[in-house]
Amino acid sequence: QQQVRQSSQSLTVWEGETAILNCSYENSAFDYFPWYQQFPGEGPALLIAIRSVSDKKEDGRFTIFFNKREKNLSLHIKDSQPGDSATYFCAASTSNMGYKLTFGTGTSLLVDP
Amino acid sequence: EAAVTQSPRSKVAVTGGKVTLSCHQTNNHDYMYWYRQDTGHGLRLIHYSYVADSTEKGDIPDGYKASRPSQENFSLILELASLSQTAVYFCASSGGNQDTQYFGPGTRLLVL
Repeated sequence: QQQVRQSSQSLTVWEGETAILNCSYENSAFDYFPWYQQFPGEGPALLIAIRSVSDKKEDGRFTIFFNKREKNLSLHIKDSQPGDSATYFCAASTSNMGYKLTFGTGTSLLVDP
Repeated sequence: EAAVTQSPRSKVAVTGGKVTLSCHQTNNHDYMYWYRQDTGHGLRLIHYSYVADSTEKGDIPDGYKASRPSQENFSLILELASLSQTAVYFCASSGGNQDTQYFGPGTRLLVL
């Protein structure tokens, strides 16, 4: 079973729009949620992360909104740029096994100029 | 800057042959991981290690072995490669509990 789910396989937005990538999870014990960004031919790299004690985390144009009750979160990319075109993975871990990340299947974002 | 390197970057193997993928990190990290990436499956954990000379099974360990001879090096071994093991393999390292995982550039493996 997929413990971390990303509902969209792909998403296309115009340059300057806000891209919204959604993620949901099943395990209530998950308390750390990083988002990784992957460009073609490269390994994933940490973009931004949130802990379950917070409901929002912002870093420049990137914001995570977290809803513990609904067990979902979303990554908002404001003023999307063509350089943001990449695959985004939502991941989760528990505090007692924090080294072990469970990844979603990824959302491929295309920003059209 | 954290650094994880992998070799080879790509490999073609024959079914039933032995394949060894290597990973080297210069981050002084205790944890190292091997993932495979397939379209539609995201990243799945094969093996990991938190100390030299010890490895642990991840979520999909069948058909794979791992070796951690030193803190810096972590290998993934396919003793009898199969068609279903065609994928991109990523190595990663991290400092510990819920620390950032730093990924290598990946190895593209094609089993024929």
